[in-house]
Amino acid sequence: QSVLTQPPSVSGAPGQRVIIPCTGTSSNFGAGYDVHWYQQVPATPPKLLIYGTTNRPSGVPDRFSGSKSGTSASLAITGLQTEDEADYYCQSYDASLRGWVFGGGTKLTVL
Amino acid sequence: QVQLQESGPGLVKPSETLSLTCHVSGVSITNYYWSWIRQPPGKGLEWIGNVYHSGNANYNPSLKSRVTFSVDTGKKEVTLKMTSLTAADTAVYYCARVVAEGFDPWGQGTLVTVSS
Repeated sequence: QSVLTQPPSVSGAPGQRVIIPCTGTSSNFGAGYDVHWYQQVPATPPKLLIYGTTNRPSGVPDRFSGSKSGTSASLAITGLQTEDEADYYCQSYDASLRGWVFGGGTKLTVL
Repeated sequence: QVQLQESGPGLVKPSETLSLTCHVSGVSITNYYWSWIRQPPGKGLEWIGNVYHSGNANYNPSLKSRVTFSVDTGKKEVTLKMTSLTAADTAVYYCARVVAEGFDPWGQGTLVTVSS
């Protein structure tokens, strides 16, 4: 059971907008810690997609955006493309566990 | 650019000790914390811990009793040692740079299989 909760899967058609939620607790998001998002294409390492809740590293398209409110965070992907099909993980710091924690991951299928 | 390359034995017997190395290039190893993260086949990511070149480290509480880290600044290497391995430790092990409480970049990972 992951400290951060994500749905196992989401799907959308090309061009659509999808949201991947990530639910935390008062000891991570609720304590003010940022959320970070990673994209993992099969058989490759995770790639940082969003850092510090809302920031995109250089090279990440602006179709990807992140947000956080209270104990919940989300990743939004607009203009869905087939190349976006991957697993997405949220991650934060947990003060109660005194360590870094991940969500269980969400598989995005582009229909 | 920053590049990380993990290396290790691939196959380890149950109850033995695992030793993995992460070679860091493209950045000073003394400027950052370095992390180990693992991913069992078909499953999600699990943070193992972070280490600084001074030896200061943070550990996942569930693994703390079995894990130690070290940093060799001359060789530009970060090492993970994990004792008393079981089949549950079978995973791809990644090293990553810690940046603002996130991880970037990641190495390609090395698969460790625990089996007799």
